[in-house]
Amino acid sequence: DIQMTQSPSSLSASVGDRVTITCRASQGISDYLAWFQQKPGKAPKSLIYAASRLHSGVPSKFSGDRSGTDFTLTISSLQPEDVATYYCQQYSSDPRTFGQGTKVEVK
Amino acid sequence: QVQLVQSGAEVKEPGASVKVSCRASGYTFSIYYMHWVRQAPGQGLEWMGMINPSGGSTSYAQKFQGRVTMTRDTSTSTVYMEMSSLRSEDTAVYYCARGGSGWYGEYDYWGQGTLVTVSS
Repeated sequence: DIQMTQSPSSLSASVGDRVTITCRASQGISDYLAWFQQKPGKAPKSLIYAASRLHSGVPSKFSGDRSGTDFTLTISSLQPEDVATYYCQQYSSDPRTFGQGTKVEVK
Repeated sequence: QVQLVQSGAEVKEPGASVKVSCRASGYTFSIYYMHWVRQAPGQGLEWMGMINPSGGSTSYAQKFQGRVTMTRDTSTSTVYMEMSSLRSEDTAVYYCARGGSGWYGEYDYWGQGTLVTVSS
C-alpha cells in the first residue's frame, strides 16, 4: 500500500497568513493526488484534484503543487471560514490511501 | 445539480449486519464510479472500496474483503454498502463519494454521511 504522510498534524495561524500543508507519498503517484476540506460535523468537501486543479467553485486562495512525491496545499490568506481539517488522498492505485489529516485553526 | 443522499443513522448489535444506501441524482448514474469511505469518531478518513455502477464490478480494501459487499440498483440510481459481522470498531460515519468516469478518478461530490453505531 502507498503511505501518505501529512504534516503538520495541526497548525494555528493568524487571519491573513499564508498556510502550507505537506503530503508525502511513499512511492511515485504521478499527479494522482487530491485534497479535501472537512469542517466539524460535516462531510468532506473536494478542493483539489490532479495535484493542482481546483474543483469548480473552490476559491482561488487554495492552490496545490507537486515536487516529485511531495505535494503541498496552500491557503494564500487564511480566513476564519477556513478552520477545518484537511486531508490528502492518493488515487494512483488501490487501496486509495489518505493522509492522517491536518487541523487548521485561527489564532 | 448532483446530489448523493444517504440513508439514515443505524444502531446495530455486535455480530449483526447493516446496509447503507446512497441515492444519486442530477447526472447519468452509470457513468461515474462510486466509492465508500468511513470515519471512526475523532479519526481520519478510510477508503473501503468502490463499485462501477455500469457493470457492477467492485474493488475492496483488503481489510474489508469478505465482510463488505457493494451493490447497485440502476433502476433507482442507488448504490449500497452492506457490512456483516459488525463489531464495536465499525462504529463510524460512512460516506459515499462520486469518483471519476474511469477506474482511477478523483472524487467530486460526497454524500452527507450515515452514522452506524455498533453497541450491545
